[in-house]
This record gives sequence, C-alpha cells and structure tokens, in this order.
Amino acid sequence: QITLKESGPTLVKPTQTLTLTCTFSGFSLSTSGVGVGWIRQPPGKALEWLALIYWNDDKRYSPSLKSRLTITKDTSKNQVVLTMTNMDPVDTATYYCAHRPPGVAAAAEFDYWGQGTLVTVSS
Amino acid sequence: QSVLTQPPSASGTPGQRVTISCSGSSSNIGSNYVYWYQQLPGTAPKLLIYRNNQRPSGVPDRFSGSKSGTSASLAISGLRSEDEADYYCAAWDDSLSGPVVFGGGTKLTVL
Repeated sequence: QITLKESGPTLVKPTQTLTLTCTFSGFSLSTSGVGVGWIRQPPGKALEWLALIYWNDDKRYSPSLKSRLTITKDTSKNQVVLTMTNMDPVDTATYYCAHRPPGVAAAAEFDYWGQGTLVTVSS
Repeated sequence: QSVLTQPPSASGTPGQRVTISCSGSSSNIGSNYVYWYQQLPGTAPKLLIYRNNQRPSGVPDRFSGSKSGTSASLAISGLRSEDEADYYCAAWDDSLSGPVVFGGGTKLTVL
C-alpha cells in the first residue's frame, strides 16, 4: 500500500532555510503520470498548496511562494525534498506531502497523504 | 483569501442532508475537475470526491459531489456524528493563481 512520511526540523529560526523530506513507499516516482505534492496548513487555517513534482521532473510551484521554493526528487531513494528559503513566523504550519495519481493531467488530486509535520518558525 | 470560496461553517442534525458549496471561476472549476477533501480533527486530509462526483473506494455513498458552471457542491445525506470535520474543495487553475488551488474550508458541525 502507499504510504508517505514527512521529516525535517520542528523548529527553525526566521531567515533560515527549511528542508523537508518526504519518504514514500508503495509507488515509484518513475511511473508515468505520478507526482508528489506539498501542502501546508497553518494552525487553525486552511490548506495551501505549495509545490508538485512529476515523474518526468516537471515542477510546479505556488505563484506566491515560487521565489522561495525548490522541489526535487531522488527516485532511487523514494524521496522528495522541499526547501523553503527565508522562513518567517507566518510560515509556521503543518506541512504535508501527498501522492498524486496518474490520470488526468490537470488535476488537484492527492489520494494518499502523509501524517504531516509541524514546523514552527521562531527565534 | 482563497481562490475558491466556501462557506466557513455548516451544520445539521443526525440524519439530515447538508450541502457545502464551492465557488470558483472559469479558469478553475469552470474548466477543470473539482476534488473534495475531508479532514477529521487532528488528522491529515483524505480524498473524499474526485473528478467532480466520483467516490474513492471506501467512501460511503452518503457523500456525493456535483458541478455546474463555475460552482460545485458536496452533499452529505444521512448525516452522522462522525461526519463532523473540515471539508475542502480543490481544483486545477489555468491562470496565474494556480496550478492547484484550495477553498478556505467549511467546518461541518453535527448538532
């Protein structure tokens, strides 16, 4: 079965760079149409999509955060890494990674999610 | 402010039917599929409806989705206490807002 798990620091200081790793199993990121996305949720607030990487290394970013985000994949390790630069307290949130299934190209579909990891930005 | 607009709250009594709306535009709901996610308290979101009105395996048929023009709706019939959760709509967006946009979420309370 498909599982995903996020890992990374729980606390970062303002202006630092956040690096989060999504380690997954049950699928391969070399399979045509498959993708992995990152979504975050500030405490008590709504979901916000951040980035998406496809099996062919095509990458998409949230327009509002594009300058600060980088998403990469390591197919051999079954991992996807998200980096976010210049962290601010408003970036405090639970960060989720999720599996995007093959099928419709233009789809906001995430059928398996990790448990999420809470990242707090504070000095 | 979210690109997709949902009411912040909804409520119903057990057994009732409730609907949650999601309003968008021609660049998102108007031209792409709508997805619905259920987030129970303290848990990760779960895919509830895909491609406007399809249910993943294991989702009860009490949950249904529909789309018309630039709006979509999630209907829950035979409301149960365990349906109390936050519900989010999402869609692909072909404009500069995208490509993936979520609604602001609707907190459903079962009275």
